[in-house]
Amino acid sequence: GDSVTQMEGPVTLSEEAFLTINCTYTATGYPSLFWYVQYPGEGLQLLLKATKADDKGSNKGFEATYRKETTSFHLEKGSVQVSDSAVYFCALVSGGYNKLIFGAGTRLAVHP
Amino acid sequence: DADVTQTPRNRITKTGKRIMLECSQTKGHDRMYWYRQDPGLGLRLIYYSFDVKDINKGEISDGYSVSRQAQAKFSLSLESAIPNQTALYFCATGGGGTDTQYFGPGTRLTVL
Repeated sequence: GDSVTQMEGPVTLSEEAFLTINCTYTATGYPSLFWYVQYPGEGLQLLLKATKADDKGSNKGFEATYRKETTSFHLEKGSVQVSDSAVYFCALVSGGYNKLIFGAGTRLAVHP
Repeated sequence: DADVTQTPRNRITKTGKRIMLECSQTKGHDRMYWYRQDPGLGLRLIYYSFDVKDINKGEISDGYSVSRQAQAKFSLSLESAIPNQTALYFCATGGGGTDTQYFGPGTRLTVL
């Protein structure tokens, strides 16, 4: 079945450092891909998405490119801030009911 | 006001008790979902629904049941709670021609 694998955390960075969180997927066909973010004590919110190969999703300085050849959707940000501290989930949509399949989540901690 | 609300936000109960978690949405979406979040496992789908008459089991439905009382309301029940159902539960909605899902703030359930 469809699945998502993302790098284990926690990831600890200093403010203004470069961030990469790796995500790879296994799926039938070409699903839409997502990054969701969960801030402490809150629900998940969509960070960015891409619907087809070579699409780049971007939001709040974060970017991810849909790479069909490597089945990857890595999340990047050039300069992280303390306020980016959260858990990040990679996900794909699967099946006719638009079910989301999530990775395990990666906790990011950014220190001043 | 939040688009997706969940009640209660926190609940502590004892083994064997019946528990109901409620979800309401004001986005007018057709699709509603219940997920469970456990550390290191990401979110896993419990049940999903496309409309009042369409209820489907997800990946981990055993021990749970749901009711879609109206387009805007989707409740999750634990008929006889057990300790390994201690988790964070999220409701989500989707629709409007997009595969994006919108999440509620979550319910933290502890079963003693």
